[in-house]
This record gives sequence, C-alpha cells and structure tokens, in this order.
Amino acid sequence: QQQVKQSPQSLIVQKGGISIINCAYENTAFDYFPWYQQFPGKGPALLIAIRPDVSEKKEGRFTISFNKSAKQFSLHIMDSQPGDSATYFCAGKAAGNKLTFGGGTRVLVKP
Amino acid sequence: KAGVTQTPRYLIKTRGQQVTLSCSPISGHRSVSWYQQTPGQGLQFLFEYFSETQRNKGNFPGRFSGRQFSNSRSEMNVSTLELGDSALYLCASSSVSTNEKLFFGSGTQLSVL
Repeated sequence: QQQVKQSPQSLIVQKGGISIINCAYENTAFDYFPWYQQFPGKGPALLIAIRPDVSEKKEGRFTISFNKSAKQFSLHIMDSQPGDSATYFCAGKAAGNKLTFGGGTRVLVKP
Repeated sequence: KAGVTQTPRYLIKTRGQQVTLSCSPISGHRSVSWYQQTPGQGLQFLFEYFSETQRNKGNFPGRFSGRQFSNSRSEMNVSTLELGDSALYLCASSSVSTNEKLFFGSGTQLSVL
C-alpha cells in the first residue's frame, strides 16, 4: 500500500523557471513531512521539511506548501538552476524515524 | 565531521548466498535506520536501531536482519539471497537533538546474480 503518492514522475524545466512537485498522503499519523534531494550515486539529502501545523515554509529558493485538510503538500523550486537537476522525494514520518517515501520525481533543468 | 560511511560500496553475490552490509553513523548519532531503494519499489524502510535495540521494523521477510553495536555502528544481513534483493541499501543516522533529520550514506549497491 503506497501511503505517499508523488507526481509527476519526471519534469523538465527551463533555467529560471519554477518546478512544482506534488504529494498526497493517507496516514493521518504523519507528523513531519520532509523533502529529500538525491543525486546519482549519492544518498538522499534533506532539503526542507514542514510540520502539519504550518501551511508554508520557505528556505531560499525552496518552498513547501501544506494543506492538512486535503492531505496534500508540494515543493516549489523557484528560479530553477541546472544544479537542481536531481531526483526529489517527499516523505511522511510517523513513529520513530520510519519515513514513508513517495515514488520520486526526476527533475531536469535545461540551461 | 565525517558523514555516514557504508561499506562496501558495491557487492555482487549469487542467489542463495548471504551478505552483510556495514554502516558507521556520524559521530554522536545513536539512531541508525536502513532503507532499500529499487527502481520499482522506490525507497522502503527496513528497520531502525537505537542504543543497540531495534525500535522499528518495516515489512520485509525475516531474511533481512540487523543489529547495532555499542559504538552505534550497525550491520544488516540478508540471508538466502534472491534476485529481487538487488538494490541500493541505504543507511541513515540521526542524533537525539535532531531526531527527525536523517543523514544518509551513499549506500551499498548489491547485485544478486
């Protein structure tokens, strides 16, 4: 059972454009929602995270929007750069450090 | 501070064999989690250890096991390997002060032939 659904699977954006990745979750016990960035040959690295009592969080060019009633959250990458080309994963956390990940979105930023 | 170190980086085994993967967490981190990453199933939680005790377990068969030592280093073992066990196995560590922030290693790429 996939508890976190992520879309799109891939996207291509021009340099300077906005990348938007969406996630929907089912488990209402999730109390922490991180986004991870993964480059080829590397492990995922935490990018930004949000708790369900906050509707938006911004860190630099990265913004999470959170809609608790809809059980949805999204990542916006503003002014996308070629160095942002990577795979992005959303996740939800319930007990302990058990993360349930979305399927991932491969982002390609064209110069 | 050194990051999470996983060894070996690559491993090739044949069906039926067993394998042990090693993970050294960031110094001071007492929680170690293991994840399996495959193109088909994505990232899936295997188990988590804290102070040598398993505190959480994912939905994997009993062939997958792990342990944590007193220095927080962790190992995971897969017995009777199957072709479907081919995957990138990732270890992540976290500290008590930043419990929810996981730091991942680069993983061990296991190929089962």
